[in-house]
Amino acid sequence: QKEVEQNSGPLSVPEGAIASLNCTYSDRGSQSFFWYRQYSGKSPELIMFIYSNGDKEDGRFTAQLNKASQYVSLLIRDSQPSDSATYLCAVNFLLDSNYQLIWGAGTKLIIKP
Amino acid sequence: NAGVMQNPRHLVRRRGQEARLRCSPMKGHSHVYWYRQLPEEGLKFMVYLQKENIIDESGMPKERFSAEFPKEGPSILRIQQVVRGDSAAYFCASSPREGGEQYFGPGTRLTVT
Repeated sequence: QKEVEQNSGPLSVPEGAIASLNCTYSDRGSQSFFWYRQYSGKSPELIMFIYSNGDKEDGRFTAQLNKASQYVSLLIRDSQPSDSATYLCAVNFLLDSNYQLIWGAGTKLIIKP
Repeated sequence: NAGVMQNPRHLVRRRGQEARLRCSPMKGHSHVYWYRQLPEEGLKFMVYLQKENIIDESGMPKERFSAEFPKEGPSILRIQQVVRGDSAAYFCASSPREGGEQYFGPGTRLTVT
């Protein structure tokens, strides 16, 4: 059973601090990893994707992947109230030559002014 | 480059009617995914299609639901004889390749009265 797990939160972070969102997954055969942001009543928006171990930075966002420990995290520097949203982690597994994207349930992030 | 387009954005149907939801993928994308989301709940995968083919329909209810992605025109998610439990947000996403990042449309909010 392939699983992707996230703490549902809410995670409360003061404005200007670093928000750290974590995601663990259950299978070492995973291929690619995605972070999405979803505001209430809106559709998911792709923030970042990462394929290789290590860090990938894009503006205030950094994705960190550790395949040996089976986790992927998203850091948001200089958090803003507009970052308050639910963050979804998704992991692509390769099974019998077919990809299967498994979604976490999401972490609700609240940035307090 | 226009994003993923969905219409209608809001759809109201009476119990027993049919609902047709349309999705036009991003230009150059031939992979389409449909998801359902209930309020305050996570994304539920329904079906994955490539042009003219259903690749994975493991998340689709066995009855009343069908999907297609014809050679020409948008992808269609069809719900026959709707019931109140079908009320949800339905999101379409497209990707440039199998296992690639997915880009979401704005969604169709279906309300069954």
